[in-house]
Amino acid sequence: DAGVIQSPRHEVTEMGQEVTLRCKPISGHDYLFWYRQTMMRGLELLIYFNNNVPIDDSGMPEDRFSAKMPNASFSTLKIQPSEPRDSAVYFCASSSDRSEAFFGQGTRLTVV
Amino acid sequence: AQKVTQAQTEISVVEKEDVTLDCVYETRDTTYYLFWYKQPPSGELVFLIRRNSFDEQNEISGRYSWNFQKSTSSFNFTITASQVVDSAVYFCALSPGGYQKVTFGTGTKLQVIP
Repeated sequence: DAGVIQSPRHEVTEMGQEVTLRCKPISGHDYLFWYRQTMMRGLELLIYFNNNVPIDDSGMPEDRFSAKMPNASFSTLKIQPSEPRDSAVYFCASSSDRSEAFFGQGTRLTVV
Repeated sequence: AQKVTQAQTEISVVEKEDVTLDCVYETRDTTYYLFWYKQPPSGELVFLIRRNSFDEQNEISGRYSWNFQKSTSSFNFTITASQVVDSAVYFCALSPGGYQKVTFGTGTKLQVIP
């Protein structure tokens, strides 16, 4: 298996623009997680899905953030409109029930 | 509520020295899982180990070993005979019950000097 695949690896966008981050989990994994990593706040869980259904989105910082999982092999995290303080590395991870989470390589987002 | 504390922000050691990374956790759950992840300079997060709350046996994997003590709520990680390739940020993490909603510590940056 190729592991968790995230795209793009790097994204630079202007403030106010919409940003969409993409994730393909490991086949067979029924949990999917979105994390954000910043120097100030470390690794924060934003939202996680089980069987494509959002279970806990309490970590989503604002209404500008939204996440979807239309099927078992694809998820998106959207920020609209983006702001400079959204600059961070966003990780997607997946796991099966009773397994550790496997992380993608992350998307480094810079909002200027 | 759950919390993971990694009090050591940065550690520097000379190659071949042993080093221990500390992790203290807080949880009200009786069943929980503990993890260590490694984040090398390339940025990806690499899984190292998981432990459930009912298994206090220490574990050794090559130069890596882990000491889990429920009495002190600690899950410490020791690297024996450190190597330059061990230079990375190491995260301790905790999840209640299953493997969902993992809470990470703030990480310890380890620098191994040749």
